[in-house]
Amino acid sequence: AQSVAQPEDQVNVAEGNPLTVKCTYSVSGNPYLFWYVQYPNRGLQFLLKYITGDNLVKGSYGFEAEFNKSQTSFHLKKPSALVSDSALYFCAVSIYNQGGKLIFGQGTELSVKP
Amino acid sequence: EPEVTQTPSHQVTQMGQEVILRCVPISNHLYFYWYRQILGQKVEFLVSFYNNEISEKSEIFDDQFSVERPDGSNFTLKIRSTKLEDSAMYFCASSYGTPNTEAFFGQGTRLTVV
Repeated sequence: AQSVAQPEDQVNVAEGNPLTVKCTYSVSGNPYLFWYVQYPNRGLQFLLKYITGDNLVKGSYGFEAEFNKSQTSFHLKKPSALVSDSALYFCAVSIYNQGGKLIFGQGTELSVKP
Repeated sequence: EPEVTQTPSHQVTQMGQEVILRCVPISNHLYFYWYRQILGQKVEFLVSFYNNEISEKSEIFDDQFSVERPDGSNFTLKIRSTKLEDSAMYFCASSYGTPNTEAFFGQGTRLTVV
């Protein structure tokens, strides 16, 4: 069965410090990987994706993510966290020939303190 | 910037009643989706829709659920006879392609079944 895991329910970071939000996946076939962010009372906003090519992908708001095929991971990173980055982050995977279905992780609450 | 819009933002309905959730996807998108998120749980895929037919559906999407694109701009989710366990946030999404194209999500409709 295909699945996505985000092992941390919550990540706490001080403003200005680097942040990492972890994601691992288990799929058959080549994965297409996505990160979304959800602010309170808002929908999910697309941050970045990995389709093919360079394992390090850059996205919105200074976020980046590294695809690691051997570890089946796609961790989200940012070199210097902002208080405004505090939100709920979701990792998701899409598979070819499944109608565009996204399988989501359970989400990680990121809290950045001043 | 184009966005997916959903109405209403909050719907309260009596158990056993029919409810219709409405969405206006981004105008040049070709794939349409419904997801739901029960409070405290993962975002779950319900159904994807392309070329006026369902292209993929989950086990959750049973005979009580149906989708329709009645007029070329709206995309609706109907629940025929609501149950208490249908209470959730329902998200509509759309994308231009699949599976390597990001989906854009609406802000959600919170459905409360009493």
